Amino acid sequence: SAVISQKPSRDICQRGTSLTIQCQVDSQVTMMFWYRQQPGQSLTLIATANQGSEATYESGFVIDKFPISRPNLTFSTLTVSNMSPEDSSIYLCSAEAGARADGELFFGEGSRLTVL
Amino acid sequence: AQSVAQPEDQVNVAEGNPLTVKCTYSVSGNPYLFWYVQYPNRGLQFLLKYITGDNLVKGSYGFEAEFNKSQTSFHLKKPSALVSDSALYFCAVRPGRYSSASKIIFGSGTRLSIRP
Repeated sequence: SAVISQKPSRDICQRGTSLTIQCQVDSQVTMMFWYRQQPGQSLTLIATANQGSEATYESGFVIDKFPISRPNLTFSTLTVSNMSPEDSSIYLCSAEAGARADGELFFGEGSRLTVL
Repeated sequence: AQSVAQPEDQVNVAEGNPLTVKCTYSVSGNPYLFWYVQYPNRGLQFLLKYITGDNLVKGSYGFEAEFNKSQTSFHLKKPSALVSDSALYFCAVRPGRYSSASKIIFGSGTRLSIRP
């Protein structure tokens, strides 16, 4: 399985500020994803982080609000811009481990953001 | 539309008793099916998967799941529950091997509570 490290693990942020979450995978992976999870609820896919090109966003999510970088095959960042209390959530990085996996995703520990 | 249903928000079981967490799906073709577990303040951990072959698959921590194509179900089971099994469980479906991992659909989650 792939090991995924995320930071920060949690943060408390002020309204109107931006925060960047980092995701590091211990091996090269083809696909990386960013999910949002409201506490105790299911996962919603924000976007697919594509290496070398712009991220692919799901309906309801836009690049201006959630810019994503993917500079190489092991690293990605998600920025939550101009935060409001509605952005308080857990943000999860995940990856498909390619040839070492058979369809499943692996997840980081999550970044719990609280916006005041 | 493709979907995954976990009909129970919460399942309560006494320690030592068998447990079942239900999952049904509506996906065309031959889906890949997964179970994940999420402990408090943690990311999702992969438990087990069904790709093809034997309908009964075994996974981590003594869990198993049975794929039933006619009932489009993939219920998670364990013969003897432990208090440490208390967590949030997610069923997930990927619509076939050649579908993008971005198409993985997560259920709404079932909170499993094991009482001593």
